[in-house]
Amino acid sequence: RKEVEQDPGPFNVPEGATVAFNCTYSNSASQSFFWYRQDCRKEPKLLMSVYSSGNEDGRFTAQLNRASQYISLLIRDSKLSDSATYLCVVNGGGFSGGYNKLIFGAGTRLAVHP
Amino acid sequence: EPEVTQTPSHQVTQMGQEVILRCVPISNHLYFYWYRQILGQKVEFLVSFYNNEISEKSEIFDDQFSVERPDGSNFTLKIRSTKLEDSAMYFCASMMDRNNSPLHFGNGTRLTVT
Repeated sequence: RKEVEQDPGPFNVPEGATVAFNCTYSNSASQSFFWYRQDCRKEPKLLMSVYSSGNEDGRFTAQLNRASQYISLLIRDSKLSDSATYLCVVNGGGFSGGYNKLIFGAGTRLAVHP
Repeated sequence: EPEVTQTPSHQVTQMGQEVILRCVPISNHLYFYWYRQILGQKVEFLVSFYNNEISEKSEIFDDQFSVERPDGSNFTLKIRSTKLEDSAMYFCASMMDRNNSPLHFGNGTRLTVT
Protein backbone atom coordinates (compact mmCIF):
# COMPACT_ATOMS: atom_id res chain seq x y z
CA ARG A 1 0.00 0.00 0.00
CA LYS A 2 1.31 3.48 -0.88
CA GLU A 3 2.16 5.72 2.06
CA VAL A 4 -0.19 8.43 0.81
CA GLU A 5 -2.76 7.66 -1.86
CA GLN A 6 -5.00 10.11 -3.67
CA ASP A 7 -7.72 10.09 -6.30
CA PRO A 8 -5.89 9.97 -9.61
CA GLY A 9 -7.96 12.70 -11.31
CA PRO A 10 -8.04 14.81 -13.34
CA PHE A 11 -11.24 16.46 -12.22
CA ASN A 12 -12.79 18.71 -14.84
CA VAL A 13 -15.52 20.88 -13.34
CA PRO A 14 -17.41 24.04 -14.32
CA GLU A 15 -17.05 27.26 -12.38
CA GLY A 16 -19.24 27.25 -9.31
CA ALA A 17 -19.12 23.49 -8.83
CA THR A 18 -18.31 21.75 -5.58
CA VAL A 19 -15.52 19.24 -5.80
CA ALA A 20 -14.15 16.79 -3.24
CA PHE A 21 -10.72 15.18 -3.06
CA ASN A 22 -9.92 12.12 -1.01
CA CYS A 23 -6.71 10.81 0.43
CA THR A 24 -5.73 7.77 2.49
CA TYR A 25 -2.52 7.23 4.42
CA SER A 26 -0.91 4.03 5.61
CA ASN A 27 0.94 5.01 8.80
CA SER A 28 -1.41 5.08 11.77
CA ALA A 29 1.25 6.95 13.78
CA SER A 30 1.06 10.00 11.50
CA GLN A 31 0.12 13.11 13.38
CA SER A 32 0.29 16.05 10.98
CA PHE A 33 -1.84 16.44 7.88
CA PHE A 34 -1.91 19.11 5.23
CA TRP A 35 -3.28 19.99 1.84
CA TYR A 36 -0.89 21.73 -0.50
CA ARG A 37 -1.57 23.22 -3.88
CA GLN A 38 0.89 23.05 -6.75
CA ASP A 39 0.63 25.05 -9.93
CA CYS A 40 2.37 23.79 -13.05
CA ARG A 41 6.17 23.84 -12.61
CA LYS A 42 5.92 25.77 -9.35
CA GLU A 43 6.68 24.87 -5.76
CA PRO A 44 4.01 23.31 -3.51
CA LYS A 45 2.23 25.93 -1.42
CA LEU A 46 0.39 25.26 1.80
CA LEU A 47 -3.36 25.44 1.33
CA MET A 48 -4.39 24.41 4.81
CA SER A 49 -3.52 22.22 7.74
CA VAL A 50 -6.02 19.49 8.63
CA TYR A 51 -7.19 19.18 12.21
CA SER A 52 -8.95 16.29 13.92
CA SER A 53 -12.17 18.23 14.36
CA GLY A 54 -12.22 19.33 10.73
CA ASN A 55 -11.57 22.89 9.67
CA GLU A 56 -12.73 25.42 7.16
CA ASP A 57 -11.02 28.29 5.41
CA GLY A 58 -13.40 30.23 3.21
CA ARG A 59 -14.51 27.94 0.40
CA PHE A 60 -12.22 25.12 1.53
CA THR A 61 -13.12 22.49 4.12
CA ALA A 62 -10.78 19.75 5.30
CA GLN A 63 -11.77 16.66 7.25
CA LEU A 64 -9.72 13.99 8.97
CA ASN A 65 -10.87 10.52 9.95
CA ARG A 66 -8.10 8.92 11.98
CA ALA A 67 -9.90 5.60 12.38
CA SER A 68 -10.14 5.17 8.61
CA GLN A 69 -6.84 6.98 7.96
CA TYR A 70 -8.66 9.18 5.51
CA ILE A 71 -8.42 12.90 4.71
CA SER A 72 -10.67 14.95 2.48
CA LEU A 73 -10.74 18.40 0.93
CA LEU A 74 -13.93 20.04 -0.25
CA ILE A 75 -13.87 23.08 -2.50
CA ARG A 76 -17.12 24.97 -2.85
CA ASP A 77 -17.99 27.47 -5.58
CA SER A 78 -14.95 26.58 -7.71
CA LYS A 79 -13.10 29.42 -9.41
CA LEU A 80 -10.96 29.31 -12.52
CA SER A 81 -8.01 30.17 -10.28
CA ASP A 82 -8.54 26.95 -8.32
CA SER A 83 -7.15 25.00 -11.28
CA ALA A 84 -4.03 23.29 -9.93
CA THR A 85 -2.82 19.98 -8.52
CA TYR A 86 -3.86 19.33 -4.94
CA LEU A 87 -1.38 17.39 -2.83
CA CYS A 88 -2.26 15.44 0.28
CA VAL A 89 0.67 15.56 2.70
CA VAL A 90 1.18 13.48 5.82
CA ASN A 91 4.03 13.33 8.29
CA GLY A 92 5.96 10.11 8.46
CA GLY A 93 4.84 9.26 11.94
CA GLY A 94 7.01 9.07 15.01
CA PHE A 95 9.88 11.34 15.85
CA SER A 96 13.53 10.55 16.19
CA GLY A 97 16.38 12.99 16.42
CA GLY A 98 13.97 15.85 15.79
CA TYR A 99 12.98 15.04 12.21
CA ASN A 100 9.47 15.37 10.87
CA LYS A 101 9.43 14.04 7.33
CA LEU A 102 6.41 15.01 5.28
CA ILE A 103 5.30 12.54 2.64
CA PHE A 104 3.45 13.70 -0.45
CA GLY A 105 0.71 11.99 -2.36
CA ALA A 106 0.94 12.00 -6.13
CA GLY A 107 -1.67 14.75 -6.29
CA THR A 108 -5.04 15.21 -7.94
CA ARG A 109 -5.30 17.61 -10.82
CA LEU A 110 -8.26 19.99 -10.91
CA ALA A 111 -9.27 21.88 -14.02
CA VAL A 112 -12.06 24.43 -13.59
CA HIS A 113 -13.58 25.62 -16.85
CA PRO A 114 -15.90 28.56 -17.62
CA GLU B 1 6.33 37.32 4.80
CA PRO B 2 9.68 35.52 5.16
CA GLU B 3 10.39 32.98 2.47
CA VAL B 4 12.81 30.26 1.46
CA THR B 5 15.04 31.34 -1.40
CA GLN B 6 16.85 29.07 -3.83
CA THR B 7 19.56 29.70 -6.40
CA PRO B 8 19.99 29.23 -9.24
CA SER B 9 16.50 28.90 -10.66
CA HIS B 10 17.81 26.78 -13.52
CA GLN B 11 21.07 24.84 -13.76
CA VAL B 12 22.24 23.01 -16.85
CA THR B 13 25.17 20.66 -16.46
CA GLN B 14 26.86 17.84 -18.28
CA MET B 15 26.70 14.27 -17.06
CA GLY B 16 29.47 13.53 -14.59
CA GLN B 17 29.84 17.13 -13.43
CA GLU B 18 29.33 18.27 -9.85
CA VAL B 19 26.54 20.70 -9.02
CA ILE B 20 25.72 22.63 -5.88
CA LEU B 21 22.20 23.84 -5.30
CA ARG B 22 21.82 26.60 -2.78
CA CYS B 23 19.06 27.51 -0.39
CA VAL B 24 18.49 30.09 2.32
CA PRO B 25 15.81 28.77 4.68
CA ILE B 26 13.57 31.00 6.77
CA SER B 27 15.75 32.41 9.51
CA ASN B 28 14.01 31.11 12.64
CA HIS B 29 13.33 27.65 11.24
CA LEU B 30 15.12 24.65 12.69
CA TYR B 31 14.46 21.82 10.24
CA PHE B 32 15.65 21.78 6.65
CA TYR B 33 14.79 19.53 3.76
CA TRP B 34 15.50 18.75 0.16
CA TYR B 35 12.80 17.26 -2.04
CA ARG B 36 12.88 16.57 -5.74
CA GLN B 37 10.22 16.27 -8.40
CA ILE B 38 10.91 14.63 -11.72
CA LEU B 39 8.72 16.16 -14.42
CA GLY B 40 5.22 14.73 -14.24
CA GLN B 41 5.91 12.75 -11.08
CA LYS B 42 5.32 13.19 -7.38
CA VAL B 43 7.29 15.26 -4.91
CA GLU B 44 9.86 12.91 -3.34
CA PHE B 45 11.70 13.29 -0.04
CA LEU B 46 15.49 13.28 -0.27
CA VAL B 47 16.89 14.34 3.08
CA SER B 48 16.11 16.12 6.32
CA PHE B 49 18.63 18.08 8.38
CA TYR B 50 18.46 19.21 11.98
CA ASN B 51 21.02 20.45 14.47
CA ASN B 52 23.76 20.37 11.85
CA GLU B 53 23.33 16.76 10.89
CA ILE B 54 21.24 14.58 8.64
CA SER B 55 18.14 13.32 10.44
CA GLU B 56 16.89 11.01 7.74
CA LYS B 57 17.55 10.28 4.10
CA SER B 58 15.72 8.33 1.44
CA GLU B 59 17.13 5.61 -0.78
CA ILE B 60 17.45 8.22 -3.53
CA PHE B 61 20.00 10.09 -1.40
CA ASP B 62 22.98 7.87 -2.14
CA ASP B 63 26.72 8.55 -1.85
CA GLN B 64 26.57 10.98 -4.76
CA PHE B 65 24.51 13.39 -2.65
CA SER B 66 25.57 15.49 0.30
CA VAL B 67 24.16 18.41 2.25
CA GLU B 68 25.81 21.11 4.24
CA ARG B 69 24.91 24.13 6.29
CA PRO B 70 28.28 25.86 6.32
CA ASP B 71 27.49 29.25 7.79
CA GLY B 72 24.20 29.17 9.68
CA SER B 73 22.17 30.63 6.83
CA ASN B 74 22.87 28.70 3.62
CA PHE B 75 21.79 25.10 3.15
CA THR B 76 23.30 23.36 0.14
CA LEU B 77 22.74 20.16 -1.78
CA LYS B 78 25.70 18.80 -3.71
CA ILE B 79 25.51 16.14 -6.37
CA ARG B 80 29.03 14.87 -7.00
CA SER B 81 28.73 13.25 -10.39
CA THR B 82 25.44 13.99 -12.05
CA LYS B 83 23.51 11.43 -14.08
CA LEU B 84 20.83 12.01 -16.69
CA GLU B 85 18.22 10.71 -14.24
CA ASP B 86 19.12 13.46 -11.76
CA SER B 87 17.29 15.91 -14.02
CA ALA B 88 14.43 17.20 -11.91
CA MET B 89 13.14 20.14 -9.94
CA TYR B 90 14.85 20.32 -6.58
CA PHE B 91 12.94 22.01 -3.79
CA CYS B 92 14.43 23.20 -0.54
CA ALA B 93 12.04 23.51 2.39
CA SER B 94 12.20 24.53 6.01
CA MET B 95 10.03 24.01 9.04
CA MET B 96 9.89 25.95 12.27
CA ASP B 97 9.53 23.02 14.61
CA ARG B 98 8.20 19.50 14.62
CA ASN B 99 4.90 20.25 16.33
CA ASN B 100 2.49 20.00 13.41
CA SER B 101 4.32 22.70 11.49
CA PRO B 102 3.97 22.82 7.71
CA LEU B 103 6.85 22.90 5.28
CA HIS B 104 7.65 26.14 3.52
CA PHE B 105 9.13 25.62 0.09
CA GLY B 106 11.49 27.63 -2.03
CA ASN B 107 10.79 28.26 -5.71
CA GLY B 108 12.97 25.35 -6.71
CA THR B 109 16.00 24.80 -8.92
CA ARG B 110 15.39 23.09 -12.22
CA LEU B 111 18.39 20.85 -12.86
CA THR B 112 18.94 19.65 -16.41
CA VAL B 113 21.68 17.07 -16.96
CA THR B 114 22.72 16.63 -20.59
